[in-house]
Amino acid sequence: DTAVSQTPKYLVTQMGNDKSIKCEQNLGHDTMYWYKQDSKKFLKIMFSYNNKELIINETVPNRFSPKSPDKAHLNLHINSLELGDSAVYFCASSQPGGDSPQHFGDGTRLSIL
Amino acid sequence: EDQVTQSPEALRLQEGESSSLNCSYTVSGLRGLFWYRQDPGKGPEFLFTLYSAGEEKEKERLKATLTKKESFLHITAPKPEDSATYLCAVPNDYKLSFGAGTTVTVRA
Repeated sequence: DTAVSQTPKYLVTQMGNDKSIKCEQNLGHDTMYWYKQDSKKFLKIMFSYNNKELIINETVPNRFSPKSPDKAHLNLHINSLELGDSAVYFCASSQPGGDSPQHFGDGTRLSIL
Repeated sequence: EDQVTQSPEALRLQEGESSSLNCSYTVSGLRGLFWYRQDPGKGPEFLFTLYSAGEEKEKERLKATLTKKESFLHITAPKPEDSATYLCAVPNDYKLSFGAGTTVTVRA
């Protein structure tokens, strides 16, 4: 059973398009996250949600809009895609409290043409 | 702001050749340190949590240790399947600050 699953795994699209990435976790966790891993493999937090409420927005452009319909899902919608958005996006989840180990999905590789 | 620095960037080992990876951190108050393993095309896989200086955790050929300023991941008698990128991270209020990782390659 996959604990944290993301779809799609690959996303290739043109500059200026709008796209969404979906994430679901079956671990019963209350907290979910989006991270961006750039070409140098550095992982950086984008958003944190706890009980469907936004906790952290780490100076991400407002073209990126996360949505949490329930505690098990956290989706990421990106408007007007730019070349610099090309990266691997990871979803993660954890127990509440902010200091618990986070469990990651296998990522969505976004390529902007 | 929390800072996490890992060294070396890359490590090439012969099978059976033990070695250590370093993770040094600067945080306002340590609330734990996590080690992860990441394989190509996969997400980071959780390995260990360390909470206080002197603590050690082991899993198969891996042992993680913690001091007040750094953590080490020791790989004893590595096998090719231990090849991966190893990441350390510190938590702070609903986010992890990651180091850039050490990519370990073990040759048979």
